[in-house]
Amino acid sequence: DAGVTQSPTHLIKTRGQQVTLRCSPKSGHDTVSWYQQALGQGPQFIFQYYEEEERQRGNFPDRFSGHQFPNYSSELNVNALLLGDSALYLCASSQGLAGITDTQYFGPGTRLTVL
Amino acid sequence: AQKITQTQPGMFVQEKEAVTLDCTYDTSDPSYGLFWYKQPSSGEMIFLIYQGSYDQQNATEGRYSLNFQKARKSANLVISASQLGDSAMYFCAMKNFGNEKLTFGTGTRLTIIP
Repeated sequence: DAGVTQSPTHLIKTRGQQVTLRCSPKSGHDTVSWYQQALGQGPQFIFQYYEEEERQRGNFPDRFSGHQFPNYSSELNVNALLLGDSALYLCASSQGLAGITDTQYFGPGTRLTVL
Repeated sequence: AQKITQTQPGMFVQEKEAVTLDCTYDTSDPSYGLFWYKQPSSGEMIFLIYQGSYDQQNATEGRYSLNFQKARKSANLVISASQLGDSAMYFCAMKNFGNEKLTFGTGTRLTIIP
């Protein structure tokens, strides 16, 4: 049973560039959430995708956008990169039950460094 | 708004001893879920255990148990018979009904000493 996969594992970009991160959910899951984890912090919710639409968004600027494909995989795009965007980006998948019992399972993350 | 507080930035525990990691939460919603995740140095967040606000019994999963005290708004993780492989960051998180996001605490770094 394949878990959540993310690519790439590491990425180095310069300020002002754009980046795309990819995520494939765990088998049987249809919902993908993205989180940003700065060094020494807990993860912060960016947004969640369900049925190819953004279902909920956290406090992130419009430079952060996403997409979900019919096979439930997802992309996170960040435009006009800033030094402060350097972080571990975590993807989590769930069954989309939209309730308190809906457990999110995380991938290994993509570590983004902005120079 | 919901908030998670983890007051222990780091803990050192002897192998085979039990350890309790503290977590307090704040929410005005009566319906919520509490989660614990383990994050090794590799970065992946590994789900450990879940407790619902209406659950009457404390959750247990193998060596992990959750000491849920609703009136005190605490959800401490207890790891019995600690092992070297338990060394990692541990995060407490909460999810409210109707809200899709997980709110995380700042984590506790647990180090198991041989």
